[in-house]
Amino acid sequence: AQSVAQPEDQVNVAEGNPLTVKCTYSVSGNPYLFWYVQYPNRGLQFLLKYITGDNLVKGSYGFEAEFNKSQTSFHLKKPSALVSDSALYFCAVRDGNIAGNQFYFGTGTSLTVIP
Amino acid sequence: DTGVSQDPRHKITKRGQNVTFRCDPISEHNRLYWYRQTLGQGPEFLTYFQNEAQLEKSRLLSDRFSAERPKGSFSTLEIQRTEQGDSAMYLCASSFRDSKNWGYGYTFGSGTRLTVV
Repeated sequence: AQSVAQPEDQVNVAEGNPLTVKCTYSVSGNPYLFWYVQYPNRGLQFLLKYITGDNLVKGSYGFEAEFNKSQTSFHLKKPSALVSDSALYFCAVRDGNIAGNQFYFGTGTSLTVIP
Repeated sequence: DTGVSQDPRHKITKRGQNVTFRCDPISEHNRLYWYRQTLGQGPEFLTYFQNEAQLEKSRLLSDRFSAERPKGSFSTLEIQRTEQGDSAMYLCASSFRDSKNWGYGYTFGSGTRLTVV
């Protein structure tokens, strides 16, 4: 079975400080990992993905994520948070070894960047 | 607008009524997906189409739910005899089947928020 866990419902960080949004995964095959962001009353927007290659993945809007196979984690990071980063963030996984096309999403982490 | 369009944006209906939502994918995308997102949860997969063929359905898709994509373009999701538990955001997404396409081209619409009273 495929699943992701986002252990924090809410993350608060001061503007200009580094931010981390945590994600751990469970997948039977090779993990294909993603981060999406959702603003109020909007759809999901793709931030970044890990398929293979470098464990540090760089994405949109200055975000990056580090794939850690031993810890089965894929935490989202940004060196300096902006107020406009305040949104709902979802980690998602797809199993690379099966033909299924669906994403399995975490429950989301609400990020608030405090001015 | 070249994104994924969903209509309506909001729908309020009485319990027991039928509702239908529409999704217009990005024109060159051959795959179309439906997800449901309830409050405090991440999106959950319901079903997906490749062209007009419905290839996979989640067990979440009870017999009150039906989805179609008759010409391989737009899709409709119908819920019959709505229940309060159906209240959720229904998200549509589309993508182009490509061995290199692992999410970057997987585009979500803004969703239809259903409230059953």
